[in-house]
Amino acid sequence: QVQLQESGPRLVKPSETLSLTCTVSGGSVSIGSYYWTWIRQPPGKGLEWIGYIYYTGSTNYNPSLSSRVTISVDTSKNQFSLKLTSVTAADTAVYYCARSVPDSEMITNRYYYYYYMDVWGKGTTVTVSS
Amino acid sequence: QAVLTQPASLSASPGASASLTCTLRSGINVGTYRIYWYQQKPGSPPQYLLTYKSDSDKQQGSGVPSRFSGSKDASANAGILLISGLQSEDEADYYCMIWHSSAWVFGGGTKLTVL
Repeated sequence: QVQLQESGPRLVKPSETLSLTCTVSGGSVSIGSYYWTWIRQPPGKGLEWIGYIYYTGSTNYNPSLSSRVTISVDTSKNQFSLKLTSVTAADTAVYYCARSVPDSEMITNRYYYYYYMDVWGKGTTVTVSS
Repeated sequence: QAVLTQPASLSASPGASASLTCTLRSGINVGTYRIYWYQQKPGSPPQYLLTYKSDSDKQQGSGVPSRFSGSKDASANAGILLISGLQSEDEADYYCMIWHSSAWVFGGGTKLTVL
């Protein structure tokens, strides 16, 4: 059974770069069926999708964060990573990594795929403070 | 106006049913969207519950009891998560999610209290 584990610094200074890694066990990031996703949750608030990556390196980011976000994948280490630049206190949150699996539907003879999150890591709290 | 709006809280009694709504912003037609539901308990990551597009196009998460089900109310432009036979363990936050404008969008979540 696939498991995901987030790791990285818990405290980041304002204006610096937040860097997290998600290590996947019990499965491979190179399996073509899946995307690999980052989500965050500020204290006491709701969920925000950050973006996802395919094992080929293809990415899709939340437009609200895209100017500051980079997600990368290292298939040799079975890991994927998140970098968020120019952080502020508003970036303080629990950061989750997750596996995204395909859901599909046919509309006017064309298949559309939606990669929703089915397995999540336990999350790691990152605080932005000087 | 947020894309997805959920009531902040809902209370219901054990054994009763709870209907959690997820209202789509005006101009976004609920009929065209697949709605995904997650449950989150304190200190834990969200867990996938189910997906609902229509009665003929729905999916239950692995191991999710059948007393969790989805539906839509087209007149209210809302997705609904129905939990029947409420149990104390159902007390949690519930989030809806849709794929909108090339991004996953979450509702603000509903805190369900079973008392």
